[in-house]
Amino acid sequence: GAGVSQSPRYKVAKRGQDVALRCDPISGHVSLFWYQQALGQGPEFLTYFQNEAQLDKSGLPSDRFFAERPEGSVSTLKIQRTQQEDSAVYLCASSISSGSGEQYFGPGTRLTVT
Amino acid sequence: GENVEQHPSTLSVQEGDSAVIKCTYSDSASNYFPWYKQELGKRPQLIIDIRSNVGEKKDQRIAVTLNKTAKHFSLHITETQPEDSAVYFCAASRGGGATNKLIFGTGTLLAVQP
Repeated sequence: GAGVSQSPRYKVAKRGQDVALRCDPISGHVSLFWYQQALGQGPEFLTYFQNEAQLDKSGLPSDRFFAERPEGSVSTLKIQRTQQEDSAVYLCASSISSGSGEQYFGPGTRLTVT
Repeated sequence: GENVEQHPSTLSVQEGDSAVIKCTYSDSASNYFPWYKQELGKRPQLIIDIRSNVGEKKDQRIAVTLNKTAKHFSLHITETQPEDSAVYFCAASRGGGATNKLIFGTGTLLAVQP
C-alpha cells in the first residue's frame, strides 16, 4: 500500500518568506509526527498529533513554527519568516495508533533558506 | 532531559564480518526501542524494534538486545553485505500516550567494504 508522502520534496525560500510543508500519512493512521533533521544529525521531534488534536508541540523551536491537522489526516507544517537556521530536512511520520510505537517516515522535504 | 547516546559514530567492516552499534538512553520510562536505517537522501526505514518486556529479538541477520537495568540496547548485524552500508539510528520512546515521540541517537555511518 501507499506509504507516507510529503510535498514538496525540495523547497528553496528566501529569508523572511513563509513556507508550508505537507504530509499525507498512511491511510487510517491515528498518530502523526513532525521531525527536523539537520545535516549529519538524527531527527529531532517537533510536534505530535493524535487525530486532529495536537497533543505535544514541545519540540517546535519558536513561535514561527505552526502545525495543523484539521481533519485528522493530512497535516501541514508552516514556518513563518524563515531564517537560515531553519534549513533542514523536515520529516513526517505516522503510526497506526497512539500506543503501537512503530513510526513510518515519509521521504522528507529539504528546505533551504537563502 | 531525555537523551540517547550512540556509538560508534563511524564503523567500517569487511563484507561477511559482524557489526555492533550501541546506544544508551536516559529516560527510565522508555519502553520502546526502534532502529532505523537511512541511506543517503532517503527516508529513515524501520528495520527492527524491541519492547522493554523482552531482552532480545532477531530477524534474519539482524538482532537487537536490551538491558533495561543498564539502559543499554544494541544492534547486531551478522554476515554484513555492501547493501548494509548506510547510517543507522537508534531511538527510544515511551511507546504510547501523549509522549510517544522518538528520541534519536546521533547515528552510526556503517561502511561495508567488499
